[in-house]
Amino acid sequence: DTGVSQNPRHKITKRGQNVTFRCDPISEHNRLYWYRQTLGQGPEFLTYFQNEAQLEKSRLLSDRFSAERPKGSFSTLEIQRTEQGDSAMYLCASSLVGVNYGYTFGSGTRLTVV
Amino acid sequence: DQQVKQNSPSLSVQEGRISILNCDYTNSMFDYFLWYKKYPAEGPTFLISISSIKDKNEDGRFTVFLNKSAKHLSLHIVPSQPGDSAVYFCAASGQELIFGTGTRLQVFP
Repeated sequence: DTGVSQNPRHKITKRGQNVTFRCDPISEHNRLYWYRQTLGQGPEFLTYFQNEAQLEKSRLLSDRFSAERPKGSFSTLEIQRTEQGDSAMYLCASSLVGVNYGYTFGSGTRLTVV
Repeated sequence: DQQVKQNSPSLSVQEGRISILNCDYTNSMFDYFLWYKKYPAEGPTFLISISSIKDKNEDGRFTVFLNKSAKHLSLHIVPSQPGDSAVYFCAASGQELIFGTGTRLQVFP
């Protein structure tokens, strides 16, 4: 297992377009998290899944943001009608339930909206 | 409202000396605290953690201290090495990890 994998690494899109990012967690991890990081800030929590159930989604930034984890394995994060303010690093992490001492993060997807 | 705060955006330390990174939090219900290290173009990597029932945890050159009455924790790196140069994030564990804004550490020869 090579850790948490995120694709693409970089995405440049025009304002108003939809984008989708993929995250493949560590295979034995049953929790998966999405974070966003902007310049000079720490990672900001967006949503998380336990297996295929999305247990928290109230922190998604707007109704343009949605996430899925259809079979409890990989996850996708979609942003519809992108805006320039959506430009950020989107980070995925995974962990085991009950493990409080650290998530494993992927390298992130850097989104630039022009 | 920032629940986890790192008030020093940057720190510069000479190689071999001690680096001390600080973090304050507001929620007394947090049960675990963690430090992550981040290099450019990479995701954060877990460094060290401490349970809220302890006041110190040590792992090699890294020691984390927790002062619950002050709602303050700190990360000590000794001796500091040039490879320690990175951004360090403090995080607190509630339902999910809540991160501070980070401190950029530069270790110079």
